[in-house]
Amino acid sequence: SQQGEEDPQALSIQEGENATMNCSYKTSINNLQWYRQNSGRGLVHLILIRSNEREKHSGRLRVTLDTSKKSSSLLITASRAADTASYFCVYSGAGSYQLTFGKGTKLSVIP
Amino acid sequence: EPEVTQTPSHQVTQMGQEVILRCVPISNHLYFYWYRQILGQKVEFLVSFYNNEISEKSEIFDDQFSVERPDGSNFTLKIRSTKLEDSAMYFCASGQGFQETQYFGPGTRLLVL
Repeated sequence: SQQGEEDPQALSIQEGENATMNCSYKTSINNLQWYRQNSGRGLVHLILIRSNEREKHSGRLRVTLDTSKKSSSLLITASRAADTASYFCVYSGAGSYQLTFGKGTKLSVIP
Repeated sequence: EPEVTQTPSHQVTQMGQEVILRCVPISNHLYFYWYRQILGQKVEFLVSFYNNEISEKSEIFDDQFSVERPDGSNFTLKIRSTKLEDSAMYFCASGQGFQETQYFGPGTRLLVL
């Protein structure tokens, strides 16, 4: 299977704390993306990091990518209750059109 | 900000019936996709469509499924004879370039009885 593995599967934190989610994958990639999904609803794109990038920021989000270890992390700083959602690292294998999703990390931010 | 739209938001059908799920991708996008998510499970790729033809499909996308871009704006997924196990949320997505960001619609929740 080429699917990624997110870690942890569930994370519960207090509002204002930082949340870190990790992801590992098994194939060569051109880029890796993180998506958010609220309660089985639509998938919202958060950030895309290319294979030649090591770190990328967008607002309160920080993503890292280590292609040698085939891993990525998503850091959400100063979390808010509205950040409660499932987070997925998503990627395409070389030459593939499809995005491969893992099971995600379910983040709960407690007000 | 442009977004992908999908209709209907919910559909209930009887087993064996045909359903058509509709999507309007973002207007300047060239790559179109369908994914599904069975309740409580991960999102699964069904098919990608580029240059008026299927560019890639998964094992799930068998002869019961077909896609069409009948005009310059709509992208449809047809399930010819629905099965109970087709019950899922179906997501359409579109993107500007190969392996670039895919923007997802809100989904159509299909329930097959």
